[in-house]
Amino acid sequence: SAVISQKPSRDICQRGTSLTIQCQVDSQVTMMFWYRQQPGQSLTLIATANQGSEATYESGFVIDKFPISRPNLTFSTLTVSNMSPEDSSIYLCSVFQGVGEQYFGPGTRLTVT
Amino acid sequence: SQQGEEDPQALSIQEGENATMNCSYKTSINNLQWYRQNSGRGLVHLILIRSNEREKHSGRLRVTLDTSKKSSSLLITASRAADTASYFCATEDITGANSKLTFGKGITLSVRP
Repeated sequence: SAVISQKPSRDICQRGTSLTIQCQVDSQVTMMFWYRQQPGQSLTLIATANQGSEATYESGFVIDKFPISRPNLTFSTLTVSNMSPEDSSIYLCSVFQGVGEQYFGPGTRLTVT
Repeated sequence: SQQGEEDPQALSIQEGENATMNCSYKTSINNLQWYRQNSGRGLVHLILIRSNEREKHSGRLRVTLDTSKKSSSLLITASRAADTASYFCATEDITGANSKLTFGKGITLSVRP
């Protein structure tokens, strides 16, 4: 199974600032996914990031707020822009492996004050 | 919108007992998957069952799928304290070129030693 790392593992940020989260995979993958998990809630897909093309955003998420980069097949970044306390969440990246199961990074716990 | 809906929302059992968790969904699926999440960290893939399968086993885990009722169950036999975690079902949707998972709200399982 793919080994996925994320940086930072956690951060506390002030409102109005931006944070870029990095996701590194130990193998080449076509699709990478970014999820948000608000406190006590389930996972919500933010966007799908394919190398060489624009990310595909889910309803309720926009590129200006969550710009994504996918410079190669093993790396992606998600930026949370102009943060507010409502952005306090765990952000997870994942990749598809095998016949459909996803493997997740350890998550980035973001607190916005 | 949420596809999978698990029940119960929370389950507390004694070590050694079996834990049964249920998931219902609304639309046609390629497969249904169960994930575990410990203490707000990354999700761990447990088991995948395809839409043409009715039952699958993996170690102490047993998953059933009833596509006519659009429901699945996850059974953990001989539970251990280490099974304490949140459990999520997720469905992979049929439509679209970009496959994606939709997660349920999750079940919090507590196994008392």
